Order: sequence, then C-alpha cells, then structure tokens
Amino acid sequence: DQQVKQNSPSLSVQEGRISILNCDYTNSMFDYFLWYKKYPAEGPTFLISISSIKDKNEDGRFTVFLNKSAKHLSLHIVPSQPGDSAVYFCAASAQGGSQGNLIFGKGTKLSVKP
Amino acid sequence: DAGITQSPRHKVTETGTPVTLRCHQTENHRYMYWYRQDPGHGLRLIHYSYGVKDTDKGEVSDGYSVSRSKTEDFLLTLESATSSQTSVYFCAIGRGLNSPLHFGNGTRLTVT
Repeated sequence: DQQVKQNSPSLSVQEGRISILNCDYTNSMFDYFLWYKKYPAEGPTFLISISSIKDKNEDGRFTVFLNKSAKHLSLHIVPSQPGDSAVYFCAASAQGGSQGNLIFGKGTKLSVKP
Repeated sequence: DAGITQSPRHKVTETGTPVTLRCHQTENHRYMYWYRQDPGHGLRLIHYSYGVKDTDKGEVSDGYSVSRSKTEDFLLTLESATSSQTSVYFCAIGRGLNSPLHFGNGTRLTVT
C-alpha cells in the first residue's frame, strides 16, 4: 500500500524548457513534503520542502506546489539544465515529521537533453 | 554531504554471515535513520533512532537490528545476511520537526 506515489518512472525534457514532476499521496495526515534529487552512486540531496500550511514554495529555479484537496504535489524546474538530469524523489511525513522519518515515492528519472 | 560518513562503501558477503554497517555524523543531530534503496521500491525505512539508546522500527525492519551508543554513531546489523538484503543502504540524519533529512553516500551490499 503505497502512501506516496510517483506514477511517472521517467521524464525527458529539452534544455531550457520546464520540467514538471508529479507526486500523489494517500495519507491525509501528511503535513510536510520534500523533494530530493539523486545522482548515481551518491546519496539523495535535499532540494526543497513545503509544509501543509502553504500551497507554494520557491527556491531559485525550483518551485513546489501543493494541492491538499487533491493530495497532489508537483516540482517545477525552470529552466531545465542538463545538470538537472537525476532521479527525483518525493517524500512526506506526518505530524510535521516530529520523528523525522520520511515516506518516499519510487522516484522519477529526469533526463534533460541539450 | 552534511558531515555523514558511511562505512564500508562496498561490501560483498556470503549468505548466513553477520554484517555491520556504520554511520558516523559530525553534525550532532538527534535523529538518525537507516534506509534501503531497491529498484522499483524507492527508499524504505529500516530503523531509526531518536536519541542515544532510543531506536524504533521502520517499514522493513525484519532481519535487521540497530544500536546507538553515542550521538554520532548509528550501527545497522544484519544478524544472518540473506540474498534479499542485497541493496544500497543509506544513512540519514535530521533535527526532527519540519526539517529535511540529510543522507550519506550509501553502502552497496551484495549477499552471495
């Protein structure tokens, strides 16, 4: 029973265009959401987060949108760069992550073509 | 990489042997975690610790034990390794409430 779902295993985008990665969740108790980027042979790197009291958070080229009624969040990367090619994981926790443990999706592999 | 060191980085072991993976942090974070990453499964929590000698089970804890005798060290032990435990293991640290986890670079374990 997957609580955090990333339904697109892969996404290919042209350099300079927008990349949109999607994530759905089922647990209505989730109130803290994060995106991680992972390169091969490295650990996941934190990108951006959002708490359930907001519907948007922006950091440079990265914006996360949260739609609580639809239990959906998305990561927008504008403009996409070849160095953004990586696997992106969506993660969530309940109760503000008081214990900090996160539930992860299976990941989406983003390829940005020059 | 937020002051997290995992050792060893690679290990090959035989079925039935005990294996211990080590995670060491220099950030003095209260929380430490062990995750495993497998194709088609993303990252799954094995065990976590919320303080010295305080640990709890995660989603896939069967066959694993942990210990935390010092703030900076979190050990993951496979008492009797099985082929299903072939995986990449990631340690993570965090401050807890509304703060992201930071991950080490992983240990690739192969059980033959």
